[in-house]
Amino acid sequence: EVQLVESGGGLVQPGGSLRLSCVASGFTFSNYWMSWVRQAPGKGLEWVANIKQDGSEKNYVDSVKGRFTISRDNAKNSLYLQMNSLRAEDTAVYYCARDRLVRGLFGVVNTRWFDAWGPGTLVTGSS
Amino acid sequence: QSVLTQPPSVSAAPGQKVTISCSGSSSNIGNNYVSWYQQFPGTAPKLLIYENNKRPSGIPDRFSGSKSGTSATLGITGLQTGDEADYYCGTWDRSLSAGPWVFGGGTKLTVL
Repeated sequence: EVQLVESGGGLVQPGGSLRLSCVASGFTFSNYWMSWVRQAPGKGLEWVANIKQDGSEKNYVDSVKGRFTISRDNAKNSLYLQMNSLRAEDTAVYYCARDRLVRGLFGVVNTRWFDAWGPGTLVTGSS
Repeated sequence: QSVLTQPPSVSAAPGQKVTISCSGSSSNIGNNYVSWYQQFPGTAPKLLIYENNKRPSGIPDRFSGSKSGTSATLGITGLQTGDEADYYCGTWDRSLSAGPWVFGGGTKLTVL
């Protein structure tokens, strides 16, 4: 059974840092792109970042560029999100998701969807 | 403002059919596959439909998806009270980038 479990959330002051972790099981972690998706209280879903299977490519939503860093450790079946310079608007439940991105010729993305999600971890940025 | 536009809410009676629309543009829906997600309060989203109209194992055929031009539609037939949830469409933006993924703002389904 595919499982993703996030941890590391909590209350942090604006300007502070937090590191989220996601441990995967039930599938060969190193074969898949992985993403972080967040959801502010009472709001919709927002994709945050993703990382290629070998960690050689990382992408971010504009609002977190330069502040958040996604990484992975395939030996530990783990995905991470280092969050620095946190803002109140970063308050959200953060989900780890398996990203079924497939590229074809010339790097064009042929298909993509998210087929497994963790239960999420809550990050609250408040003074 | 979400890049993909969904109605905030839809409603229908048990046993009836409902459709949820998702409108985008040529840079996203118009040239890429759409997926749909179901989310119950306090829980993680769950994949319902991928590649416009494919259902993962375990998703009943009451759920269907379609796409035409720059819009996509989720259909649910034989509505059940257990279908009350939020539904999100999503796709990637710009084919040459593995980054930007966009979700619709979500639609709350009420089964009257």
